[in-house]
Amino acid sequence: AAGVIQSPRHLIKEKRETATLKCYPIPRHDTVYWYQQGPGQDPQFLISFYEKMQSDKGSIPDRFSAQQFSDYHSELNMSSLELGDSALYFCASSFSTGTISYEQYFGPGTRLTVT
Amino acid sequence: GNSVTQMEGPVTLSEEAFLTINCTYTATGYPSLFWYVQYPGEGLQLLLKATKADDKGSNKGFEATYRKETTSFHLEKGSVQVSDSAVYFCALSDGGGSEKLVFGKGTKLTVNP
Repeated sequence: AAGVIQSPRHLIKEKRETATLKCYPIPRHDTVYWYQQGPGQDPQFLISFYEKMQSDKGSIPDRFSAQQFSDYHSELNMSSLELGDSALYFCASSFSTGTISYEQYFGPGTRLTVT
Repeated sequence: GNSVTQMEGPVTLSEEAFLTINCTYTATGYPSLFWYVQYPGEGLQLLLKATKADDKGSNKGFEATYRKETTSFHLEKGSVQVSDSAVYFCALSDGGGSEKLVFGKGTKLTVNP
């Protein structure tokens, strides 16, 4: 079965650079979530989109922005990178009826290293 | 706000031992509860879920029952295998149109042969 695709899988950037992470949800899934998992930490919710509109926002820094496109893929843009942004970034997708969302399926993650 | 508390790890067991990982939650309303598993170097996989009180989720020999009276969702397995070695996360989603997951800190399980 098709899974959530994330690219790139690994990314190395220097401080103050920018990075773009991409997420391709499972076909027919209309909701995308982004999570950040620091080393040895639990995943923290960043932001989510339903039908191309932002549906919820968590602890996402102002330096980060994201959007969902007409084909439902999503991109997380990160600017002025800091050492503390080094983490595993997960995208998850689900199907939603608008009031009910079904279980989230996670991608393999993008490991971002900021040097 | 909503929160999940898991037992501290790491947990080390011998093969065929009984496993319990405790999980309690704080939430308003009626959350859905999940266990996710993360194998080394991999993403999160949904292990099991329960969406209402007294529901029992089960998968691959793992079970957890949604206990509203004790706000708990403990993970159990009767006989663990070496291949069960991973990090286990308890999580909840509070529904109501905001389905983000709130995770516990994770419990690392190591099963020795």
